[in-house]
Amino acid sequence: SAVISQKPSRDICQRGTSLTIQCQVDSQVTMMFWYRQQPGQSLTLIATANQGSEATYESGFVIDKFPISRPNLTFSTLTVSNMSPEDSSIYLCSVEGEAGAYNEQFFGPGTRLTVL
Amino acid sequence: GIQVEQSPPDLILQEGANSTLRCNFSDSVNNLQWFHQNPWGQLINLFYIPSGTKQNGRLSATTVATERYSLLYISSSQTTDSGVYFCAVEAGGTSYGKLTFGQGTILTVHP
Repeated sequence: SAVISQKPSRDICQRGTSLTIQCQVDSQVTMMFWYRQQPGQSLTLIATANQGSEATYESGFVIDKFPISRPNLTFSTLTVSNMSPEDSSIYLCSVEGEAGAYNEQFFGPGTRLTVL
Repeated sequence: GIQVEQSPPDLILQEGANSTLRCNFSDSVNNLQWFHQNPWGQLINLFYIPSGTKQNGRLSATTVATERYSLLYISSSQTTDSGVYFCAVEAGGTSYGKLTFGQGTILTVHP
């Protein structure tokens, strides 16, 4: 399985500011995903990070609020822009363990964000 | 989109007891996974089980894809089993790689 790290592990930010979260994988992967988990809730997919093209966003999420970069096959960033207290969540990246269709996914340790 | 329902939402056990968690889904799936989220928020992979039965120590899982449900069995529960258990599915078609999560089962195991 892939080893995934995220930075920062946690942060406390002021409203109106932006935070960039990094996701690093120890091997090349085709598919990378970003999820949000609001307090006491389940996980919701934000977007698919595509290497060499723009990210694909799910309903309710927009690029201006959550810009994503994917410069290569082992790294991606998610920025939470113009933050408000409602953005306080755990943000997790995930990857497929192996290339190909419908394979097991693994998650990074998450970034716990608190917005004051 | 596909709907995923987990039951029960909460479960309280004494150490040593057995339990069964259920996951129902509304459409055919290409992938189904069970996760345990520990108190620090990390998701631990338990099973990748789009169909069939698997066992790993005290845990086992069964997915009956034709009837659209999966079960997670925990035997001889321990306090370290406490946390949230999530079922997540990957539907077919354009949902490639996208996991839809259930709302989770919060398990509390008392010593």
